[in-house]
Amino acid sequence: GEDVEQSLFLSVREGDSSVINCTYTDSSSTYLYWYKQEPGAGLQLLTYIFSNMDMKQDQRLTVLLNKKDKHLSLRIADTQTGDSAIYFCAESYNTDKLIFGTGTRLQVFP
Amino acid sequence: GAVVSQHPSWVICKSGTSVKIECRSLDFQATTMFWYRQFPKQSLMLMATSNEGSKATYEQGVEKDKFLINHASLTLSTLTVTSAHPEDSSFYICSAQLAGDEQFFGPGTRLTVL
Repeated sequence: GEDVEQSLFLSVREGDSSVINCTYTDSSSTYLYWYKQEPGAGLQLLTYIFSNMDMKQDQRLTVLLNKKDKHLSLRIADTQTGDSAIYFCAESYNTDKLIFGTGTRLQVFP
Repeated sequence: GAVVSQHPSWVICKSGTSVKIECRSLDFQATTMFWYRQFPKQSLMLMATSNEGSKATYEQGVEKDKFLINHASLTLSTLTVTSAHPEDSSFYICSAQLAGDEQFFGPGTRLTVL
C-alpha cells in the first residue's frame, strides 16, 4: 500500500538552511505537496510539485524530487523562528485523496 | 486563501455519548469535504470523503455507523462520533475543496473521551 515517511524532528539555528526529507512508495503519485501545521491553525499548503518535475523554487522554499528514488525534500533558506512548525509531505494521484507523511517537527533556535 | 472553520475546537465527553463536530467553508462553496484523524506524532489519516447531497465514501477500516458524516450544504459538513469511547480520542481535521482544486484545512478539533 501507499506509505510516506519522514524523520520526526529537526533542529536548526536561525539563519541556517533547513532540509526536511520525505520518502514515498507509490510510483503513480502525480502530485507531491508540502504542508505546514502550526498550533491552533489548519494545515497550510506551502508548495507542491508535479511528478514530472525535479525542482521547484518559491522564494525561500526549494523542493527537490528524485522520482527514481521516490525521495522528496523541502529546503528552507534563511530559516526564521516563525518557521518553527510541523511540516508534512503528502502525495496524491489526483487532487482528492492525500496520503500524508508522519510529519517533521522543525524547531528553530536563536 | 480560503478559510475553513471547525467547531468546537476541543471537546471532552463521557464514554457512551455522541459528539458532533462541524466543518464550515466560510468564503467559498465546497463541493467536497474530507475528514481526517490525526494521532499524536502520527500523520493525518483520511477517514471519509463527502460530497454535498450524497452519502460519504469511507476509507477501509473506518466504521460508517460509528462516524456519521452529513454534508447537507455546500458550506457545512458534520462528523458525529457515536457512542464515543476512549480509543476515539484524537484530533479530527476537516478540509474543504472546490471542484478538484486545492484542499483548505480547518484548525482541527481535539476530542477527549473519558
